[in-house]
Order: sequence, then C-alpha cells, then structure tokens
Amino acid sequence: DARVTQTPRHKVTEMGQEVTMRCQPILGHNTVFWYRQTMMQGLELLAYFRNRAPLDDSGMPKDRFSAEMPDATLATLKIQPSEPRDSAVYFCASGVSGVRETQYFGPGTRLLVL
Amino acid sequence: SQQGEEDPQALSIQEGENATMNCSYKTSINNLQWYRQNSGRGLVHLILIRSNEREKHSGRLRVTLDTSKKSSSLLITASRAADTASYFCATVPISSGSARQLTFGSGTQLTVLP
Repeated sequence: DARVTQTPRHKVTEMGQEVTMRCQPILGHNTVFWYRQTMMQGLELLAYFRNRAPLDDSGMPKDRFSAEMPDATLATLKIQPSEPRDSAVYFCASGVSGVRETQYFGPGTRLLVL
Repeated sequence: SQQGEEDPQALSIQEGENATMNCSYKTSINNLQWYRQNSGRGLVHLILIRSNEREKHSGRLRVTLDTSKKSSSLLITASRAADTASYFCATVPISSGSARQLTFGSGTQLTVLP
C-alpha cells in the first residue's frame, strides 16, 4: 500500500533552532507539495515541485524557509531560525502531474516552537 | 484568500441521517475535489468531479457541481460515527495554467453522534 511518509511526526524545539522536515513521496509520483495547517489560517500551500523542480514557493517566507528535492525520493522543508509562529502541522503531499491533480497526503509533522 | 469556502463551518447530526456540505469558489475551474481529514491525520481524497460533469456518486457519497453558480455540494447518506471528520473542497483553477495546483477551502467539521 503506497503511502507518503514524513519524518519526524512530532518536533518540539526552541526558538532560533533549525528544523528540518523530510518527506518521501509515493514512488512514481512527480509532484510534491508542502502545506502548513493552523487553526487560524487553515491549509496554506508553501511550495510545489514538479519533476524535482520548484514551480511555486510564493507561499513560503523566504527569509527563513527553504524547500528542496535532493532526489526523486526525498523532499525537505527547512526552517532556520524557527519562531513560535511557525508552530503548526506541516503536510507533504504527492501526485502525478496531468492526472486529475489528486494529491496523496502524508501524516504530517506536528511542530511546536517554544 | 481561500478559493473555496465551505458551508457550514460545523455540522452535527445523528447516525443514520444524511449530511450535506456546500462549497463555493470564485474562479473558473478544471475540476473540484473533496477531501476528508480525520483528527490528527493527513487529508484523504474522496471524489473528483470535472467541470463538465454535474453529478457524481461514489458509495454513500454524492457530489454535485453547478459551474454557473460556482458551487458544489457533498452529500453523505446514512452517516456513521466513523464519518466524523473535517471535509474540504479543493479546486484546480483554470488560471493556474500548467501549474494546476489545488486550492483548498477552510473546511466543514462534521460530527456524527451515535
């Protein structure tokens, strides 16, 4: 049963620390999305990759956030330095471009920045 | 702002009753999708309806789409306690061009009481 995996599932850190979240998309999927979910803002798109190339990262605070795909099996989202307002659940999703645009979500990383 | 807005924000019904959720969107779309999110989990794709379709069924789910009113509804028949979750509509706006990324609404929290 193919699934998107995310690590870590939970992360508690102190303000100013670097946070790295990892995602393994479903094998064969060529699109990867990073979302942030909070009660106040709902689900926000942070970054979107197709064939490992970044297509849209306009939703991401550029000064502290960065997203990369070192290879087709790994996507990373990094926050440096982290701030309390970054506390949220971060989801990775993958899909196949041009095929209905259905997205398959991972279980999320719950981040708490103290 | 969110492309899709669900209505109501929260809905509470008895097991066995039908649940209807509505979604309104602002711009022309390629397709509209509904997702479910159980507490503490990632989103799960439920059903997709294309812009040239008016109604679609999948098990106990029925989705309608009215492109003239830019609205969609999701009907869950004979609800069960396990249907308790948040339900999101998501659209692929035509304006997204080749990017074709989803834009999510704010969700409806459905509670099915046993």
